[in-house]
Amino acid sequence: NAGVTQTPKFRVLKTGQSMTLLCAQDMNHEYMYWYRQDPGMGLRLIHYSVGEGTTAKGEVPDGYNVSRLKKQNFLLGLESAAPSQTSVYFCASRRTGNYGYTFGSGTRLTVV
Amino acid sequence: RKEVEQDPGPFNVPEGATVAFNCTYSNSASQSFFWYRQDCRKEPKLLMSVYSSGNEDGRFTAQLNRASQYISLLIRDSKLSDSATYLCVSDTGRRALTFGSGTRLQVQP
Repeated sequence: NAGVTQTPKFRVLKTGQSMTLLCAQDMNHEYMYWYRQDPGMGLRLIHYSVGEGTTAKGEVPDGYNVSRLKKQNFLLGLESAAPSQTSVYFCASRRTGNYGYTFGSGTRLTVV
Repeated sequence: RKEVEQDPGPFNVPEGATVAFNCTYSNSASQSFFWYRQDCRKEPKLLMSVYSSGNEDGRFTAQLNRASQYISLLIRDSKLSDSATYLCVSDTGRRALTFGSGTRLQVQP
């Protein structure tokens, strides 16, 4: 099993550009999440989804949008990138019940 | 106050030492807990799940004290490869888990 796959792994954007980060999981997990991790800040939840077609805001949703049109995919969009969005982005998925997350390997985004 | 608090460290220990990390949580609704390990510039990986009073897996032991609302992780016979950041995670039954900021461990030869 591939688990959770994130693409791309690295990206450099100019301020104002847009992009979409893709997260795909092959474990049939109901829940999917997008986090960002900055030095000294820990993991912060951006958006999450509890099932196909549903999304919800997390702790730091501003400047991001998400979509979950298929159960296995969770997309994170940046409409107009800002330098403050320079970060490492992790996607995670989880089955229902008292289980932990499985994380993707991350996307390193730099906005210049 | 953060829901899950950890001492950021770093904990610098010699190879072969025993080291313990504590994690406190403020939400009494927390049902289960997890310890994750995160290597530098890598994704967090599940180390251990804690559903009742504790769990043991080889050199690693997790203990849960619900009365005092803390979880501990004990690592015996530390290896150089144990150097990483350890994340304490709480499940309160909400859809998303709550992460501590992590404790950094550096095992020295």
